[in-house]
Amino acid sequence: DAGITQSPRHKVTETGTPVTLRCHQTENHRYMYWYRQDPGHGLRLIHYSYGVKDTDKGEVSDGYSVSRSKTEDFLLTLESATSSQTSVYFCAISTGELNTEAFFGQGTRLTVV
Amino acid sequence: GENVEQHPSTLSVQEGDSAVIKCTYSDSASNYFPWYKQELGKRPQLIIDIRSNVGEKKDQRIAVTLNKTAKHFSLHITETQPEDSAVYFCAAAFNNDMRFGAGTRLTVKP
Repeated sequence: DAGITQSPRHKVTETGTPVTLRCHQTENHRYMYWYRQDPGHGLRLIHYSYGVKDTDKGEVSDGYSVSRSKTEDFLLTLESATSSQTSVYFCAISTGELNTEAFFGQGTRLTVV
Repeated sequence: GENVEQHPSTLSVQEGDSAVIKCTYSDSASNYFPWYKQELGKRPQLIIDIRSNVGEKKDQRIAVTLNKTAKHFSLHITETQPEDSAVYFCAAAFNNDMRFGAGTRLTVKP
C-alpha cells in the first residue's frame, strides 16, 4: 500500500461547512496528489505537492485548497462544501518523478448533503 | 491540456480469451503511460506502465503497446481469468499534467 493512509474513510457533511481530509505517508516520498473520482470521469487531479509548502493546482482545483507543512502529511480542505463535491477522494504518492509510478491511498467517500 | 479517450467503456469476455483496451491521447509531449486496475470499492492499483522510448512492455499475462506517431496505446490481457474482472484506467502524463481515461469495465465470464 506504499504506506499511505487516508482519514477519515467516510464522511457526511452539510452544505457550506468546511471539511479537511488528511493523507499520511510513511516513506518520505516527495510528490503527493489529491484526486477525485466520479462516475464517467475517471480520476481528476485536484492539487499536487512537490515538497513541503510547495503545491500547485490540478485540473479541478476550484473550491479546494491544500497544505503540506510536513513531508508526511498532505491536507485537502473544502472551504465551503457543496453537493457537487460529493465524490470519492484519493490521495496518491509517486515513487518516481512527478506524475509517474503513482500509488493510491484507500480513498475517502465524502457526501455533502 | 491533455485529453485521454478510452474504449470500450464496457467489455465482456469468456474466461481464457484475450481482452484489449485502447486509449488515445492528444498531447504529443506526453511521455509516460500507466494502466490501473480498480476492483469494486478498492483503490486503483498500478498494473503496468510504459514510457515513450519503448514500443511494448510485457508482464506475464499483460502487455502494453504504444504508438507515438498515432498517439494511442493499448492494454492486452491474455488468458483472462475471473479475477481480472475490474475497471481499468489508462492515463497519459507529461511533467505536471496527468490525465486519466474514463475507464473500461471488464467482465470475465467463467
